[in-house]
Order: sequence, then C-alpha cells, then structure tokens
Amino acid sequence: SQQGEEDPQALSIQEGENATMNCSYKTSINNLQWYRQNSGRGLVHLILIRSNEREKHSGRLRVTLDTSKKSSSLLITASRAADTASYFCATAKGAQKLVFGQGTRLTINP
Amino acid sequence: DSGVTQTPKHLITATGQRVTLRCSPRSGDLSVYWYQQSLDQGLQFLIQYYNGEERAKGNILERFSAQQFPDLHSELNLSSLELGDSALYFCASSAAHGDIEYGYTFGSGTRLTVV
Repeated sequence: SQQGEEDPQALSIQEGENATMNCSYKTSINNLQWYRQNSGRGLVHLILIRSNEREKHSGRLRVTLDTSKKSSSLLITASRAADTASYFCATAKGAQKLVFGQGTRLTINP
Repeated sequence: DSGVTQTPKHLITATGQRVTLRCSPRSGDLSVYWYQQSLDQGLQFLIQYYNGEERAKGNILERFSAQQFPDLHSELNLSSLELGDSALYFCASSAAHGDIEYGYTFGSGTRLTVV
C-alpha cells in the first residue's frame, strides 16, 4: 500500500492561478519530497522538506509540512502551461526507500 | 538529461519471454532503485542496491531479479512475462544509503509492452 495519498487526484485550473495539492501519510518520516512527472517521462525532484521544518520555498513552489497531522501541501503560484504534469509526494524514513503516493494530475488551461 | 541512463526506451515482447532492462546511475551515485509504474498500481518500489549489495526489497515478483555490477550499473531481469507486467520501469539513483539528503534522480524509463 502507498504511504502517501495525494488530494485531489486531478486538478484543472487557468493559467496564472495558484494550484494547491495535498499529501497525507501514515507513519513517521525523516523527510517528505515532491516530484513532477510529465506524461510518460521520468520523475523530477522538486523539493525536499525535513521533518523538523514547517515550510520551504523554491521559486514558485511552496511546501508546508504538518507532522502532527501527517500532511503536506504543495503550492504552485502563478501557474504556467508548462506546469501541466503529475505531481507526487514521497516519504522517506532513515535508510528506507522512498514511498510514493498515487499522484495529482494537474492541468493548466491557457 | 538527468544523468541516469536507461536502455532500452521501449520493449515489446511476447508472453513467456525474458527481458533485461539496464540502468546506469548518475556519476558518483552508489544507490540504485527500481520502480514499476502502472496505471492501476501507481509507482511500486521493486528493489534497491547499494554499491553492489541488495539493500531493500519491495513488491518484486519471484520471476523478477536484479543485480548491480562493480561499475555500479544495474540490470533488472524479468522472466516468464505476463500481460500484467506491461508497465513503465524506472531506475533511480542517489548518493546516499542512509538519510536521503537530496532526493532521487530518475531515468526516463523503459516502457515494456507484453503482447
């Protein structure tokens, strides 16, 4: 079973709007990561947030982490057509492998 | 180019056959991970190698096996193929074995179609 569960499964917005995706997980973690996957391509690492961090920024990306609720959110501001992709959260604990959620499919309409 | 090379990009084969997927990790990375991505199962972890040794095993079928060679490239062998094995197979690499500092670098995948 997957550790991370993304919500919503699909999101469609207009270019320029902000997109928010959520991720919930079940067990304790060392860090949580977000990845992007363009259709049929490999996953690209976007951002990593450690369990002792609450918020992190990278360009137009903002990630929050609430370990008490076992949840994270990814905000993409001022969306562009090129942001159309699937977004996955992944959790890591110690030396264990990354466990991925099912992903959110984001569509940016021009 | 992510630095992780997977070959072949596409593979079409018949049921019952055996195939080998190859992965060269990013330069300097010692850990290699194999994942299977299908529409209904999402990204499933198969197996991890670190510097030639198996470190973690996930939902890998007995018909599947893998190894990592001294030059750190890895091969995933899939045998007695079934229609349900059709999927995208990804290789990823990372420098760390312990706490994952910087995330994984993924290859572009091998799309396997079993007919």
